[in-house]
Amino acid sequence: DAGVIQSPRHEVTEMGQEVTLRCKPISGHDYLFWYRQTMMRGLELLIYFNNNVPIDDSGMPEDRFSAKMPNASFSTLKIQPSEPRDSAVYFCASSFALAQTQYFGPGTRLTVL
Amino acid sequence: KNEVEQSPQNLTAQEGEFITINCSYSVGISALHWLQQHPGGGIVSLFMLSSGKKKHGRLIATINIQEKHSSLHITASHPRDSAVYICAPMDSNYQLIWGAGTKLIIKP
Repeated sequence: DAGVIQSPRHEVTEMGQEVTLRCKPISGHDYLFWYRQTMMRGLELLIYFNNNVPIDDSGMPEDRFSAKMPNASFSTLKIQPSEPRDSAVYFCASSFALAQTQYFGPGTRLTVL
Repeated sequence: KNEVEQSPQNLTAQEGEFITINCSYSVGISALHWLQQHPGGGIVSLFMLSSGKKKHGRLIATINIQEKHSSLHITASHPRDSAVYICAPMDSNYQLIWGAGTKLIIKP
């Protein structure tokens, strides 16, 4: 298996623009997680899905952030409109079950100017 | 007080040295992850354990649930082990609680 795939790897955009981050989990994994990592706050869980259904989105910072999982092999995290404080590395991870090892994607480094 | 505390925060050692990174946590947990983040940013899960000890190559992880403490050991350390090592206990809701990480530098 190729592991968790994320795209793009780097994204530079201007404030106010819409940003869409993409994730393909490992085939067969029922759980998908979106994390954000910043120097100030470390790693934060934004949202996670089970069988394509959002289970806990309490970590989503505000309404500008939204996440979808239309099928078992694809998820998106969208920021609209983006702001400079959204600059961070966004990781996607997947696992067989909540109590199992999470496998991380390479991350998307987002810079909002 | 942070729920997860790692020590040391930074560690520089010579190649070949035995490395120990400690993790203490204050919440009840179901399991604990040790992860490695390379300078390039990628995150790799090293271990998930809920009791006792696990070994993988030169890496050993131990956990004492009663004492709420875990350690990660690296034997015969090598410069390629240089990375940030993160302890992440999993709470009763299976949510990971992230430690701040230990930055390890192994000098040749």
